[in-house]
Amino acid sequence: TQLLEQSPQFLSIQEGENLTVYCNSSSVFSSLQWYRQEPGEGPVLLVTVVTGGEVKKLKRLTFQFGDARKDSSLHITAAQPGDTGLYLCAGGGSARQLTFGSGTQLTVLP
Amino acid sequence: DAGITQSPRHKVTETGTPVTLRCHQTENHRYMYWYRQDPGHGLRLIHYSYGVKDTDKGEVSDGYSVSRSKTEDFLLTLESATSSQTSVYFCAISESEGKQYFGPGTRLTVT
Repeated sequence: TQLLEQSPQFLSIQEGENLTVYCNSSSVFSSLQWYRQEPGEGPVLLVTVVTGGEVKKLKRLTFQFGDARKDSSLHITAAQPGDTGLYLCAGGGSARQLTFGSGTQLTVLP
Repeated sequence: DAGITQSPRHKVTETGTPVTLRCHQTENHRYMYWYRQDPGHGLRLIHYSYGVKDTDKGEVSDGYSVSRSKTEDFLLTLESATSSQTSVYFCAISESEGKQYFGPGTRLTVT
């Protein structure tokens, strides 16, 4: 069974601060996705990375896939209250199945 | 947003009763998934489908069954609901590698 460990589990920061969320595994994944989920809604796909060492930027969010395709990070620059939510990483495997991390609950205080 | 709906959105049922949750898509995607989300566990795969009448078990399939008689519909059935099945259930669809799109979820409470 492939496992993804996400850290930290909870993060509360002030508006304007930077933060990084980590997603680690001992398994190799064919792809890595990041989702954001708001209360009462389903997860929404933010980005997919498929190549080891790949870096993708989405406005103030920077996503990196580890060289060995076992880990990933999400860095947010100058966080805003609108960034508040549950961030989930998910590793792609066989039959287009995803293995999800347990999530990072981010709260950005104004 | 992907066209995915789930019904019902909320349900309260008693232990031992059968329950069916429906996922409907308008995207004609081949792959459909059922997950449950519980605090501290993230999303865990229950069952998935890779085509009409083609389904397979996920990580936490015990106590659940699924059916897919049409491309657009994927049903999740709890034959005899238990309190441990109280959860939020999400349906997802996919056509390409790793990109899954989620429905709004069904909150199920088993009393």
